[in-house]
Amino acid sequence: AQTVTQSQPEMSVQEAETVTLSCTYDTSESNYYLFWYKQPPSRQMILVIRQEAYKQQNATENRFSVNFQKAAKSFSLKISDSQLGDTAMYFCAFMTLTKSSGDKLTFGTGTRLAVRP
Amino acid sequence: DGGITQSPKYLFRKEGQNVTLSCEQNLNHDAMYWYRQDPGQGLRLIYYSQIVNDFQKGDIAEGYSVSREKKESFPLTVTSAQKNPTAFYLCASIPPIGASTGELFFGEGSRLTVL
Repeated sequence: AQTVTQSQPEMSVQEAETVTLSCTYDTSESNYYLFWYKQPPSRQMILVIRQEAYKQQNATENRFSVNFQKAAKSFSLKISDSQLGDTAMYFCAFMTLTKSSGDKLTFGTGTRLAVRP
Repeated sequence: DGGITQSPKYLFRKEGQNVTLSCEQNLNHDAMYWYRQDPGQGLRLIYYSQIVNDFQKGDIAEGYSVSREKKESFPLTVTSAQKNPTAFYLCASIPPIGASTGELFFGEGSRLTVL
């Protein structure tokens, strides 16, 4: 079974600063996807960034980037130039696309990020 | 616009009553999911369906039931057997294999409160 661990329940960052959210996972699969989802106070889940395990290059989406360490099974999210609108719950998630796994997305417990003005 | 619609957004139920949460999608997605969200526990998978007339239990299926009679619809029934049903429920879907990047598309959620 796959597990996803987010060890930081809450974090705070000053506006315009950089913050890194941690995520580790455990799997025996070699081919999988990793995601960071954002859930603002509206509770709508929004995809922030996605990483395919077979790609060595770290994914980047504007101010959001990841540090993917496959051997260490680590997938951290870096938010640069933090903005007030980044205040949200952030979930790390894992998915394999194999018949045996049934394409299930496994989530971590989340990190609540507060951006201070 | 294409998307996933969950209803109702808020629902109150008395103990011992069954309640059904609706999830409809017009994205032509094959696979659909139900997740439960509780504070400090993230999202946990209740049931999922990869094709019409077929579904599988997730990690916390006890006290819940689903059906998948149409591709567009995947309703979740919270039965009286569910010991602690007060939670936020999220429905999601994923594009067909080949068109999928693994990203789940989510509805806006349903908040169930047992009085």
